[in-house]
Amino acid sequence: AQSVTQLGSHVSVSEGALVLLRCNYSSSVPPYLFWYVQYPNQGLQLLLKYTTGATLVKGINGFEAEFKKSETSFHLTKPSAHMSDAAEYFCAVRPVRAGNMLTFGGGTRLMVKP
Amino acid sequence: DAGITQSPRHKVTETGTPVTLRCHQTENHRYMYWYRQDPGHGLRLIHYSYGVKDTDKGEVSDGYSVSRSKTEDFLLTLESATSSQTSVYFCAISEGTGELFFGEGSRLTVL
Repeated sequence: AQSVTQLGSHVSVSEGALVLLRCNYSSSVPPYLFWYVQYPNQGLQLLLKYTTGATLVKGINGFEAEFKKSETSFHLTKPSAHMSDAAEYFCAVRPVRAGNMLTFGGGTRLMVKP
Repeated sequence: DAGITQSPRHKVTETGTPVTLRCHQTENHRYMYWYRQDPGHGLRLIHYSYGVKDTDKGEVSDGYSVSRSKTEDFLLTLESATSSQTSVYFCAISEGTGELFFGEGSRLTVL
């Protein structure tokens, strides 16, 4: 069975500072990997995904993530935080060959201080 | 934006009453899902469907049933609601690429 761990349920950064949200997965084979963002009172929307190919993936709103197989990680970064980045972020995994279901991490709430 | 509508968006009910949440899509996607979201748990899969009348259980299916009689509609039923089922419920759809598109959620409170 796969699992996803997001280190830190709350992360606080200053506006303009680096954003780093951590995600580690456990899986016998590298899965497909996703980051979703949820703004207050809304559903989740896809930020970026890794399936195959380049391990550094760029997404919307200036976010990017790097798949590191040796570390079983898929951390999300943004060079400079903006107030509008305040939201909850979810990492998710999906087996490459088994079904079409995502397993989500517990989420990290990002707060951005002025 | 993906055409997904959840109803009702908010509901307050009493323990022991039946509740049905509806998810309607206009995208003709094959896969539909029901998740619940609770603090600290992220999203957990309740049930999913891979076609009309084809459904299966997720990791937290106890106390829930689903039906899909048409491609566009996926119903989630709580036969006898309990306080532990107070949650925010999200419907999602997918065409099999792995990317899920989510509805705006239905907030259920069971008193």
